[in-house]
Amino acid sequence: AQSVTQPDIHITVSEGASLELRCNYSYGATPYLFWYVQSPGQGLQLLLKYFSGDTLVQGIKGFEAEFKRSQSSFNLRKPSVHWSDAAEYFCAVGASAAGNKLTFGGGTRVLVKP
Amino acid sequence: DVKVTQSSRYLVKRTGEKVFLECVQDMDHENMFWYRQDPGLGLRLIYFSYDVKMKEKGDIPEGYSVSREKKERFSLILESASTNQTSMYLCASSLFYRETVEQYFGPGTRLTVT
Repeated sequence: AQSVTQPDIHITVSEGASLELRCNYSYGATPYLFWYVQSPGQGLQLLLKYFSGDTLVQGIKGFEAEFKRSQSSFNLRKPSVHWSDAAEYFCAVGASAAGNKLTFGGGTRVLVKP
Repeated sequence: DVKVTQSSRYLVKRTGEKVFLECVQDMDHENMFWYRQDPGLGLRLIYFSYDVKMKEKGDIPEGYSVSREKKERFSLILESASTNQTSMYLCASSLFYRETVEQYFGPGTRLTVT
């Protein structure tokens, strides 16, 4: 069965600084990988996804993520954080054999300092 | 745009009550999901459905049941609510059963059982 670990529960970053959120997954074959964001009081919104091809994936809101098979990682990055990026971020992994089920990590809450 | 709506944003129920959470999607998606979200645990799958009247247990189905009588509507039922079911409940939908694609989420229902 697949699993996802987000090692950082909370991250505090200054506005304008860069941000990197870590995600490690466990799955035997090539995974389908997702990053979602949840703003306060909202549902989850898809930031980006990786299915195959180029291992550097561009998403919405200026985010990108890099798939590294050798490290079983799919880290999310943003070069310059805005106050509106304060939210909770979830990494998820899916498998083609799983009937479209996703397994989510525990989430990382990002706080942006002015 | 895909829209997933949930019947209530906030709900307060008493222990032992039967509770219905409703979810509707407007994009003819095959799959629908119910998750609960708890701090530090991320999202955990309760049940999912890949067709009308079809359902499968997720990772934490105990104490819950579901109903899907129409393609666009998926209900989560707490037969006898307990305090340990106090949580945020998120509904999601996705297009195909046989293909892993992104899930679209509703805004969530925060349920408190007293």
